[in-house]
Amino acid sequence: DAKTTQPNSMESNEEEPVHLPCNHSTISGTDYIHWYRQLPSQGPEYVIHGLTSNVNNRMASLAIAEDRKSSTLILHRATLRDAAVYYCILRDITRNTGNQFYFGTGTSLTVIP
Amino acid sequence: GAVVSQHPSRVICKSGTSVKIECRSLDFQATTMFWYRQFPKQSLMLMATSNEGSKATYEQGVEKDKFLINHASLTLSTLTVTSAHPEDSSFYICSARSGWTHFNEQFFGPGTRLTVL
Repeated sequence: DAKTTQPNSMESNEEEPVHLPCNHSTISGTDYIHWYRQLPSQGPEYVIHGLTSNVNNRMASLAIAEDRKSSTLILHRATLRDAAVYYCILRDITRNTGNQFYFGTGTSLTVIP
Repeated sequence: GAVVSQHPSRVICKSGTSVKIECRSLDFQATTMFWYRQFPKQSLMLMATSNEGSKATYEQGVEKDKFLINHASLTLSTLTVTSAHPEDSSFYICSARSGWTHFNEQFFGPGTRLTVL
């Protein structure tokens, strides 16, 4: 499975935008890019996903590089509730074995009041 | 979004006993469910994939006789940790998905904290 690389930790001031990077240089053409986040002692929560085009939803935006070897999750205005570990995951939907998620180390986001 | 529940949320047991953890999809039918384990300060590690009505597929290094998985219906999967030992203490998380296309996201349960004394 293609691997992802994320910074271990990042900090942001409250109400400022946050850009969380993810490198996936070995991504294949059928890999979707997924972002999940995990608050302490909870299960991961879906944030956003995309294939080639940039994506927006009510939680965040996903900017995907033209060569797809990197992507950036953008939180437009960080709140204290956004403090979590953010995981960037690649998912190949053509695999017949269940399209598992393999989590990397993620980025621990600290939001400073 | 879809809701996945887990029961119990916390369990403490004595070494050598078996513990069953339930994972339910509350408002959708889950053709596939996944079980993860997470140690403190670490990422989630996929343990196994289970499809309704068939045997689970275990990841390399996960003992299938120790971690028994049953996915008997489209809304319920169970993980039984047999003969639990302190090193099995961990946060166990399940997830469920209704299909395999990119429209079918995985929805995660809230996790079960297992402590083996």
